Order: sequence, then structure tokens, then C-alpha cells
Amino acid sequence: DVKVTQSSRYLVKRTGEKVFLECVQDMDHENMFWYRQDPGLGLRLIYFSYDVKMKEKGDIPEGYSVSREKKERFSLILESASTNQTSMYLCASATTRKPAAATNEKLFFGSGTQLSVL
Amino acid sequence: AQKITQTQPGMFVQEKEAVTLDCTYDTSDPSYGLFWYKQPSSGEMIFLIYQGSYDQQNATEGRYSLNFQKARKSANLVISASQLGDSAMYFCAMSPRGGGNKLTFGTGTQLKVEL
Repeated sequence: DVKVTQSSRYLVKRTGEKVFLECVQDMDHENMFWYRQDPGLGLRLIYFSYDVKMKEKGDIPEGYSVSREKKERFSLILESASTNQTSMYLCASATTRKPAAATNEKLFFGSGTQLSVL
Repeated sequence: AQKITQTQPGMFVQEKEAVTLDCTYDTSDPSYGLFWYKQPSSGEMIFLIYQGSYDQQNATEGRYSLNFQKARKSANLVISASQLGDSAMYFCAMSPRGGGNKLTFGTGTQLKVEL
């Protein structure tokens, strides 16, 4: 089975701190994603990566950056945490079929990190 | 732009009964995919079922079936014979234009199964 591991289940940080959320997958997937989940808003895509050292902005990238130095690891960085970044953060990974643009490629998710910024 | 709408924030169902969770979508693309995920209190998103826009038959996976009505742009999840373990948040999602897996999610429906 695919395993996507997020380093922390719960995290409490102070406003202004630099925060790193780590995600590791063990199935050699090319694609990795960071979503945030808020009540009433569902999941919103922050950033994604289709390859090592490659990144693309999602729908809500402001206040975040990412790093993908190795294929299995995708890090989300909050440069200066703010209270409005208190949320559940979900990492996901998936394979890519090239060159066909299939529509049935599901995501595999980690268990999430509940971040509280005080 | 694609959009997924789930209008039921919360649902209750009695154990062993069937329940339908609503999902409507908006897209101008002829080719797309629709997914349902389950999120129990543990937080992990679990893939349940997939329906392609060109699939002739409605998808089924065990007790889960997807009632796909393309003309109405709806993709409702039907859970038969509900169990206590079905209590969770359920998300409908759509694959993007051109395929791939940058999914767009709805706001979710919290399902509670009661004795």
C-alpha cells in the first residue's frame, strides 16, 4: 500500500515563526500536493509539484512556499506564520501517466497536520 | 473554472439504511473525472469511488455506488446498508481540465450513522 507520512499530527506555533511541514511518500510518485482544509471551505490547493525541484502554485499560495529536493519528500513552508494560517494541512501524492491525460488518477493522502498559530 | 457543490453540511442515517450524499459540479470540459473520498476522525482521506465522464455505467464499489446524471451535472454517492463505521466527512472532487490529479474538492458532508 502507498504510504504518505506527515511528520506531525498536531503543531502549535507562534505568530511570526517560520514553520516547516514535512511530507514523505514511499511509492516513487512523481506528483505531490499540499492542501489546506477549513470547515465550510473544503480542501483548497496551496502548491503542487510534478517533479523534483519543480513547483507550481495552486489556488491559495500566498504566505506559503514549498521545497522538493528529493522525489519522495515535499515540504510546505510558512515563512512567517499568521493566525489565519491555523488550519488542517493535508499532503497527497499520485502517479502520472505520460503522455495521456487521464482523468482517473486518484490522490493518496497523509493523515494531516493540524496547525495552530497563536 | 471548475466547481464542486455539496449542499448538505450534515446528514443523519439509521444503521442498515441507505443514504445519498449530494454532489453537483460545473465544468465546460467534455472529459472529466469525479471522485468521492471519506475522511474519518483520524484525518486521513480515503478514496472510495471514481466515475469518468464517458463511462456508460454508474460506478460501484461494494456498498458504495455513484449515481451519475451527466445532463444534471450531478454525481451523488449512495451508501447502502449504513454501518457505524461510515460516520465520517465525505468529499466530492473533480479532476481538472486535460486530466491529471490536481483535484478540486467540494466543502464536504458530515455523515453520522445512528443505532
